[in-house]
Amino acid sequence: GQNIDQPTEMTATEGAIVQINCTYQTSGFNGLFWYQQHAGEAPTFLSYNVLDGLEEKGRFSSFLSRSKGYSYLLLKELQMKDSASYLCAVRGDYKLSFGAGTTVTVRA
Amino acid sequence: DAGVIQSPRHEVTEMGQEVTLRCKPISGHNSLFWYRQTMMRGLELLIYFNNNVPIDDSGMPEDRFSAKMPNASFSTLKIQPSEPRDSAVYFCASSLGDRGREKLFFGSGTQLSVL
Repeated sequence: GQNIDQPTEMTATEGAIVQINCTYQTSGFNGLFWYQQHAGEAPTFLSYNVLDGLEEKGRFSSFLSRSKGYSYLLLKELQMKDSASYLCAVRGDYKLSFGAGTTVTVRA
Repeated sequence: DAGVIQSPRHEVTEMGQEVTLRCKPISGHNSLFWYRQTMMRGLELLIYFNNNVPIDDSGMPEDRFSAKMPNASFSTLKIQPSEPRDSAVYFCASSLGDRGREKLFFGSGTQLSVL
């Protein structure tokens, strides 16, 4: 099975940087995903890492260390619209299991 | 592309009633997933289909839940009889491929309330 841990809540100021950590234990590994979910909406894909290292996509970056079972999502130049839940998800064989999500609140 | 389409968006029913949730995956996608989301348990995988065949239904809570995928463009999740603890948001998601690296596209979800 999979065990995925991430902080419950984080608060940051508009324009700042926030890093959301995710640690996982899995019996198989086919990649780690980050999804964004605004309140009352469906999760939407943000990033995918399968090899160690940093993947950058605009203001968002995601890092993976497979040996440490660790990932982080970095949100730069925070905007009010970034207030949402961020879900770390690990793919075993075919099954994508989600963490509980980190609620990020961006304050002016 | 219209994306993954789910219906209804909201369903309010009484305990003991049958509930049927519907999903149309993205055209061409061959994998379909049903998830349930609650505050307490987060997003849980209920069942996974690949090429219309159920591959893993170990997440289905109990016999009251059943899912079908009669063709590549339609799936249903049925709860009979429904109970208040089934209240949750039910998401359908689809993806292309079965190698584990494809991202999921989620529907807008069905908010189910069982009174």
